Amino acid sequence: DTGVSQDPRHKITKRGQNVTFRCDPISEHNRLYWYRQTLGQGPEFLTYFQNEAQLEKSRLLSDRFSAERPKGSFSTLEIQRTEQGDSAMYLCASSLDPGMRTDTQYFGPGTRLTVL
Amino acid sequence: AQKITQTQPGMFVQEKEAVTLDCTYDTSDPSYGLFWYKQPSSGEMIFLIYQGSYDQQNATEGRYSLNFQKARKSANLVISASQLGDSAMYFCAMREVSRGFGNEKLTFGTGTRLTIIP
Repeated sequence: DTGVSQDPRHKITKRGQNVTFRCDPISEHNRLYWYRQTLGQGPEFLTYFQNEAQLEKSRLLSDRFSAERPKGSFSTLEIQRTEQGDSAMYLCASSLDPGMRTDTQYFGPGTRLTVL
Repeated sequence: AQKITQTQPGMFVQEKEAVTLDCTYDTSDPSYGLFWYKQPSSGEMIFLIYQGSYDQQNATEGRYSLNFQKARKSANLVISASQLGDSAMYFCAMREVSRGFGNEKLTFGTGTRLTIIP
């Protein structure tokens, strides 16, 4: 049973550097979400894909953030010119079908970013 | 805007006892879904249980049950016969539908850290 995977699991970078994270959703899932979780808080929504289309972005997602999902499979989240405030856990989730009553989002293990 | 409130930052429970984790929510949508997730120290969010707003019965999944009181807007998680492996953060979440996008993003509470004492 292959769940959602994320790479890398941990990333330490210096302020001003660019970083890219990858998420591989459960294979048949057409919906993919990115969330950010800071210390002591619950995850907060960043952006959402249905297949390859990015349909919504949170106001939390500044211009330094960009996400893609080419061909509707894996997704990447890039942060340019990282700042210390970007330090957080970045979680990816996928779900199967908008019409299903229990459209449950299944999460990956997350990428923990530390910006020095 | 939808909101989830978890008022218990931390709880300590003796092994094998039952525990109730509180969650209240606020929404004006008649159709919504409520979820509970477990987050161990490894960081992964593990889905536990789901309750739909129109469900007539409380959801149950093994040792987990959801005490859904719609009029009070509460969706408390009950864990029976707690085990050491239940020690983790627990998050209550509500599915929020963005009109026109089909985005069913989750809004999370701040979580409750549960510690099971041997």
